Amino acid sequence: NAGVTQTPKFQVLKTGQSMTLQCAQDMNHNSMYWYRQDPGMGLRLIYYSASEGTTDKGEVPNGYNVSRLNKREFSLRLESAAPSQTSVYFCASRLEGVNTGELFFGEGSRLTVL
Amino acid sequence: GNSVTQMEGPVTLSEEAFLTINCTYTATGYPSLFWYVQYPGEGLQLLLKATKADDKGSNKGFEATYRKETTSFHLEKGSVQVSDSAVYFCALRRNSGYSTLTFGKGTMLLVSP
Repeated sequence: NAGVTQTPKFQVLKTGQSMTLQCAQDMNHNSMYWYRQDPGMGLRLIYYSASEGTTDKGEVPNGYNVSRLNKREFSLRLESAAPSQTSVYFCASRLEGVNTGELFFGEGSRLTVL
Repeated sequence: GNSVTQMEGPVTLSEEAFLTINCTYTATGYPSLFWYVQYPGEGLQLLLKATKADDKGSNKGFEATYRKETTSFHLEKGSVQVSDSAVYFCALRRNSGYSTLTFGKGTMLLVSP
């Protein structure tokens, strides 16, 4: 059972370049999330999608866009990367309708912007 | 708004020592509370949870009790192992309506043989 799969696992960009992080889940979950993890900051929510066809901003959405392509896939795009976006990015998913439903995380994508 | 405060790390212990990682929260209403663990190079995974006051969550020898009166959810383990070395995140989620998880900043635990 694959769970939540993120690609790529590592990426180095130059300032101003664009890229898309891909995320797919095979658990038939309704909700999907993108977080970034930085030292001393914990996890901060960038964007989320409560269901197919909807997306909403989280705590730190500036500089990012998202697409909920279908129920399985939720991508995160950096249109013009900046050094401040150097981070580890995690995708997660959850089954809605269950109050205590846990989040399932991918293994992370480490992005360095030079 | 909702917030979670955890003790800063790293917490360094010898194998078989007793562990406490403090977590307090601020929330409207009565949220569900969670501890997630992140092993090196991996994503987070749920360790335990509690959905109402006085509930005790437990898993893999770890325990945490939902204390409404002190708005706390401290993580404990009686005897840690080297394999418990990881980063631990406390989190909360409102129980009514759609809500996202709010995480603390994480506490790194280092256990030496």
